[in-house]
Amino acid sequence: DQQVKQNSPSLSVQEGRISILNCDYTNSMFDYFLWYKKYPAEGPTFLISISSIKDKNEDGRFTVFLNKSAKHLSLHIVPSQPGDSAVYFCAAPGSGNTGKLIFGQGTTLQVKP
Amino acid sequence: EPEVTQTPSHQVTQMGQEVILRCVPISNHLYFYWYRQILGQKVEFLVSFYNNEISEKSEIFDDQFSVERPDGSNFTLKIRSTKLEDSAMYFCASRQSYMIYGYTFGSGTRLTVV
Repeated sequence: DQQVKQNSPSLSVQEGRISILNCDYTNSMFDYFLWYKKYPAEGPTFLISISSIKDKNEDGRFTVFLNKSAKHLSLHIVPSQPGDSAVYFCAAPGSGNTGKLIFGQGTTLQVKP
Repeated sequence: EPEVTQTPSHQVTQMGQEVILRCVPISNHLYFYWYRQILGQKVEFLVSFYNNEISEKSEIFDDQFSVERPDGSNFTLKIRSTKLEDSAMYFCASRQSYMIYGYTFGSGTRLTVV
């Protein structure tokens, strides 16, 4: 069973503080994970990825941490900005080699000025 | 920056009618996808398309659905006889190669079946 779960539907943080978005998965064979960001009336936009052989990947204000033993990954945004307010999806590649993605339910982040 | 373009942005249709959702992928991309998101739910894979044929389809993609790349630029999703439960946001996506971070989504078509 291949599942990606985001158990927190929403998160609210103050501007300048850290935002931590969490994601759990069931399949230990996933090769990599991705985070997508989605604004209303737009499609998902790729944000950052991490290979399963790494435990951290950083890109500017965005860092993704992978804990394979716990089957858990998290996205850290530091410092959070009001423009970061969006829905964040974690995703993993589906089985087979067609490139399909399996998405979590998404977490709506609100960054308050 | 190259974009995946979807039209229309919103379509309202009567139950039982056929709809065609249109997408223009990025020109040098080789892999094409349709996903959908029912309001409040997760983004779900529908179908992948490569080398002018379906490479994979989900359980959702039943006989009522079909895809075409008729002219080398457009990529369409047809729903033959729409049902109320087909109401969703439909996203087209494309990527150039197997480097998955090159996955670009369009802005989506909101389909409302009444």
